[in-house]
Amino acid sequence: SQTIHQWPATLVQPVGSPLSLECTVEGTSNPNLYWYRQAAGRGLQLLFYSVGIGQISSEVPQNLSASRPQDRQFILSSKKLLLSDSGFYLCAWSVRSGANVLTFGAGSRLTVL
Amino acid sequence: AQSVTQLDSHVSVSEGTPVLLRCNYSSSYSPSLFWYVQHPNKGLQLLLKYTSAATLVKGINGFEAEFKKSETSFHLTKPSAHMSDAAEYFCVVRTGGFKTIFGAGTRLFVKA
Repeated sequence: SQTIHQWPATLVQPVGSPLSLECTVEGTSNPNLYWYRQAAGRGLQLLFYSVGIGQISSEVPQNLSASRPQDRQFILSSKKLLLSDSGFYLCAWSVRSGANVLTFGAGSRLTVL
Repeated sequence: AQSVTQLDSHVSVSEGTPVLLRCNYSSSYSPSLFWYVQHPNKGLQLLLKYTSAATLVKGINGFEAEFKKSETSFHLTKPSAHMSDAAEYFCVVRTGGFKTIFGAGTRLFVKA
């Protein structure tokens, strides 16, 4: 069966510090991978998606970047965090074709102080 | 254009009474529709999905939803609420590719 792992679960970082959130998927090959942010009162916002190694599409211009160094690994990064980067970050995967199920990780709570 | 409207931001029920969470959608294509549940500080868990097969879809934990094309609705129901059902619920539309529309969420409160 497929599983998705996200870490760290909780992170408190000062403004201006770097960020790295990691997501890995097991039990499947060639998944589509996604990063979402859930800010209080603002619903889920798609940040990045990827259809393959090194292929990243950005949905919203911002202070964040994403990378996919391996087929089942997706990393969300920032060089300098802003207060507005605080939120709950969710990684998800789906099979390549069709309007298929999104399966989410457990999430990473980021607080920028 | 696609959209999803969850008609209630909060719903409060007593334990053992029925649950109804309402969702209307708009889509130019035949949509796939989903309901997810999110407990505090957790990821989203799939409850059920509709992908153009049976219009009445049964999901986990006793939830079900009915796709009504004429009303463009996909309401989520459960005959008898349990305390553990207290959570936030999201109605979601996908039409292939990467376009996924999330509703704003409905927070369900269950009173003892």
